[in-house]
Amino acid sequence: SQELEQSPQSLIVQEGKNLTINCTSSKTLYGLYWYKQKYGEGLIFLMMLQKGGEEKSHEKITAKLDEKKQQSSLHITASQPSHAGIYLCGADGTGGFKTIFGAGTRLFVKA
Amino acid sequence: KAGVTQTPRYLIKTRGQQVTLSCSPISGHRSVSWYQQTPGQGLQFLFEYFSETQRNKGNFPGRFSGRQFSNSRSEMNVSTLELGDSALYLCASSLGADATNEKLFFGSGTQLSVL
Repeated sequence: SQELEQSPQSLIVQEGKNLTINCTSSKTLYGLYWYKQKYGEGLIFLMMLQKGGEEKSHEKITAKLDEKKQQSSLHITASQPSHAGIYLCGADGTGGFKTIFGAGTRLFVKA
Repeated sequence: KAGVTQTPRYLIKTRGQQVTLSCSPISGHRSVSWYQQTPGQGLQFLFEYFSETQRNKGNFPGRFSGRQFSNSRSEMNVSTLELGDSALYLCASSLGADATNEKLFFGSGTQLSVL
């Protein structure tokens, strides 16, 4: 079955700094999703990438998909306290699974 | 449009009991997926219902079951609760016409504690 590995597991950054979160798939990626979760709450959709080399941005968050490397990266520019939370990557599962998710990256932003 | 609504928000049960969780999807969405989230295992897919039929299923024991009604509302049932069932249960809805390449809309979850 497909697995998604995220790195780092957690991240503490100073407000204003840039950061990058990575998501690597054990199988070919045909599409990848990024979601954000506030602690104890549901997930909020950020963006979906479907083609190799595709790059999307939403406010100060940019995500790229590298199909050859079976990897996606999420980059936050000039981080703010509002960016704090858990970032999860997801992909459509195989073998009858709906969307599967990585373990998540916990982001803390120090003011 | 109202978002995905899950009830109850919090639940405390004891081992051996059973529990039913409810999920009302966004109006017009026909697919409802259920996930279990724990600190150790992360977000694990339970099952997906589309038009009252289970379309996809994860690797959970038969104690976990679900159903979907004609109005797309869904319920999830866990029988003979175990301590390890303590988790945040999330449901997500989507239009469902395409089983893949779909943005999921999540509810706030039901936090289940089994004592």
